[in-house]
Amino acid sequence: AQKVTQAQTEISVVEKEDVTLDCVYETRDTTYYLFWYKQPPSGELVFLIRRNSFDEQNEISGRYSWNFQKSTSSFNFTITASQVVDSAVYFCALSGDQTGANNLFFGTGTRLTVIP
Amino acid sequence: EAQVTQNPRYLITVTGKKLTVTCSQNMNHEYMSWYRQDPGLGLRQIYYSMNVEVTDKGDVPEGYKVSRKEKRNFPLILESPSPNQTSLYFCASSLLGLAGKNEQFFGPGTRLTVL
Repeated sequence: AQKVTQAQTEISVVEKEDVTLDCVYETRDTTYYLFWYKQPPSGELVFLIRRNSFDEQNEISGRYSWNFQKSTSSFNFTITASQVVDSAVYFCALSGDQTGANNLFFGTGTRLTVIP
Repeated sequence: EAQVTQNPRYLITVTGKKLTVTCSQNMNHEYMSWYRQDPGLGLRQIYYSMNVEVTDKGDVPEGYKVSRKEKRNFPLILESPSPNQTSLYFCASSLLGLAGKNEQFFGPGTRLTVL
């Protein structure tokens, strides 16, 4: 079965601090896809990144970076020099090619609060 | 503007009164999906559709129906709503499903309360 665990329910940081949001996943599929979404206080869901299981390169996009490690089944998300606008709930999600392909399994989310 | 629209955005109803939440996308996407979001549970997939007339169950399909008669529309139907279906609902679409380099676009959400 597919499972995504975001153990951090809530995190608070002071502006300009770096913060890492953890995501651990479980799957038996050899090919799978991992996602991160942001849900700001306004409620919409914003796509941040999609990564397939064959691509273990870390990715950086501005202040955002993602660390994918198959050995530990983790896909962690780091925000560098956090800003108040980063305050949101962040979801990690997983989809597999074999088990329920095109079913998307979300973690329970991490609420990040950036204090000015 | 490329977007996914949902209507209504807010709905309060009573147990047993059939309702439909509409979802429409203007991006010619083949894949569409419905999710519900509940506190402490994250988002859970209800149903998805790979193309017209092709639908399949997600993680929590009980109590819901969907149809895909046109590519752009994917309505969510609650034949006999119950209070445990009170939730925030999201519709989403992507070009070719979750595989490949396909971003999934989400609608703004529908907050449903069943009394």
